[in-house]
Amino acid sequence: DAKTTQPTSMDCAEGRAANLPCNHSTISGNEYVYWYRQIHSQGPQYIIHGLKNNETNEMASLIITEDRKSSTLILPHATLRDTAVYYCIVSGAGGTSYGKLTFGQGTILTVHP
Amino acid sequence: SAVISQKPSRDICQRGTSLTIQCQVDSQVTMMFWYRQQPGQSLTLIATANQGSEATYESGFVIDKFPISRPNLTFSTLTVSNMSPEDSSIYLCSVVPQGTYEQYFGPGTRLTVT
Repeated sequence: DAKTTQPTSMDCAEGRAANLPCNHSTISGNEYVYWYRQIHSQGPQYIIHGLKNNETNEMASLIITEDRKSSTLILPHATLRDTAVYYCIVSGAGGTSYGKLTFGQGTILTVHP
Repeated sequence: SAVISQKPSRDICQRGTSLTIQCQVDSQVTMMFWYRQQPGQSLTLIATANQGSEATYESGFVIDKFPISRPNLTFSTLTVSNMSPEDSSIYLCSVVPQGTYEQYFGPGTRLTVT
């Protein structure tokens, strides 16, 4: 699986949009970009995933660049409960790598009042 | 979606002993995974435990140390054998419901080995 690079930490004011970047310059054509988050002392939580098109769900939006070498997770209106470690993961959609997630160190997002 | 429970939620064990961790899912799933999260670290995949086949282990993890059972589509166990303090970690199971790309994680089992 392709390696990802994320900033170690970011801050965001409550109510503002949180934009979390991720670089994945070695991504292969059949690999998806996944975002998970881990709130302290809990198991990771799925947020969103995408292949090449931008995606949006009730939690967040995912913007993938045209060359697919980077992406941005957007939390449109961050709340204090969004404080967590956010993981950007690149993983294949089939074959022996299906479902196997390689977690990096992630980005610690702190939302402050 | 899938709701996952794990038992025990935490335990303190003596070195040299073994602990079996249970993972129960509220729906039938084929794909199940076991992860380890060492203190202050990210998650590392231990093995894939698909029903109907032997568990497959990632590099650095062996069956003798982490035997896994998967007797049916809703249940799995991971045993941490002959424990040492280095095994102190949070152990998590996860599943991928068929037809989805979303992985759901259990709450984890916090293991401390003294």
